[in-house]
Amino acid sequence: AQSVTQLGSHVSVSEGALVLLRCNYSSSVPPYLFWYVQYPNQGLQLLLKYTSAATLVKGINGFEAEFKKSETSFHLTKPSAHMSDAAEYFCAVSGYNNNDMRFGAGTRLTVKP
Amino acid sequence: DADVTQTPRNRITKTGKRIMLECSQTKGHDRMYWYRQDPGLGLRLIYYSFDVKDINKGEISDGYSVSRQAQAKFSLSLESAIPNQTALYFCATSDPGTEITDTQYFGPGTRLTVL
Repeated sequence: AQSVTQLGSHVSVSEGALVLLRCNYSSSVPPYLFWYVQYPNQGLQLLLKYTSAATLVKGINGFEAEFKKSETSFHLTKPSAHMSDAAEYFCAVSGYNNNDMRFGAGTRLTVKP
Repeated sequence: DADVTQTPRNRITKTGKRIMLECSQTKGHDRMYWYRQDPGLGLRLIYYSFDVKDINKGEISDGYSVSRQAQAKFSLSLESAIPNQTALYFCATSDPGTEITDTQYFGPGTRLTVL
């Protein structure tokens, strides 16, 4: 079975600082990897996904993630944090048929003025 | 209007009661999912349906049942609610189309409290 581990349940950065949210995966098959964002009182929204086409994946709102097979990682980054980035972020992994998507526990991002 | 809607948005019930959570979508997707979210655990898959005649158990299906009434509707039932089913429940839809793996679109969630 696949799984993901998100390192750090809470991350706090200053506005304008680099955002780095960590995700490591475990999968016995080539994984498909996702980052979702959840704003307060809302459902999850896809930020980006990796489907083996390119190791560096660009998403919405200036976020990107790099797939590193050797490190089994898929960390999410953004060069400059904005107050509106404050939310909870979830990393997820699935196999080919999307019938067994596994989510990480989530990382809550706080952005300080 | 939202593409994926869930009703009710909030529900408080008592132990032993039967509860139904409903999900409707206007995206025309064949695939629908039910998840529960618990603090510190992320989202866990309860059931999924790849078309009207296809229902499958997910990671944590015990204590739950589902009904796919139509392509657009997927209901989750708790036959006899218990307190540890207190959680935030999400419905999601997807459609593989021409993508290798499909993106899931989530509803706004239903907050269920079982006393």
